[in-house]
Amino acid sequence: DGGITQSPKYLFRKEGQNVTLSCEQNLNHDAMYWYRQDPGQGLRLIYYSQIVNDFQKGDIAEGYSVSREKKESFPLTVTSAQKNPTAFYLCASHRAGLNQPQHFGDGTRLSIL
Amino acid sequence: AQSVTQLDSHVSVSEGTPVLLRCNYSSSYSPSLFWYVQHPNKGLQLLLKYTSAATLVKGINGFEAEFKKSETSFHLTKPSAHMSDAAEYFCVVPVYNQGGKLIFGQGTELSVKP
Repeated sequence: DGGITQSPKYLFRKEGQNVTLSCEQNLNHDAMYWYRQDPGQGLRLIYYSQIVNDFQKGDIAEGYSVSREKKESFPLTVTSAQKNPTAFYLCASHRAGLNQPQHFGDGTRLSIL
Repeated sequence: AQSVTQLDSHVSVSEGTPVLLRCNYSSSYSPSLFWYVQHPNKGLQLLLKYTSAATLVKGINGFEAEFKKSETSFHLTKPSAHMSDAAEYFCVVPVYNQGGKLIFGQGTELSVKP
């Protein structure tokens, strides 16, 4: 079955550490997205990529970095500059075309040790 | 500017009774609209989408929504709630001419009592 796989499901970060969240899709989708979700809040866009080797900042990109070297993969690095990284991180993708709905992975929950 | 407003942060119903989750939108353009559901510690799943083909849209798990342009609403309904419907629901509008970017409502938490 096609879908989006996020790993790990749970991740713990130590002070001053960078951590990388994996997102892989086998849907052959061109566009991929990273969101952050905090309790009681909606989703906030961190980064997105419409095509390989290109990506744009979303609304809350500070303290995060991404790469898009392959169509199927869009890893997110939470750097030590992100002082409040505890959240639920969701990856999504969609195919080309107008008003296509996004498909979501099952998320990674990041906590500080 | 486009926006979506979910009018209730929390809705509680009894099992077997109707569900109504309210969403109003604001857009200068004829919008597409989506409803997504999120169960605890899971990703979002598409329930249904409106893309101007028909104003009454049927989705998965018995949910449906009606697009009412005169009221700028896209409320989600289900005739009879099931315990498994307990989840967070998001009303979503694609940003016009911005690729696939989305604007999310703040979410409505649905509780279902036995």
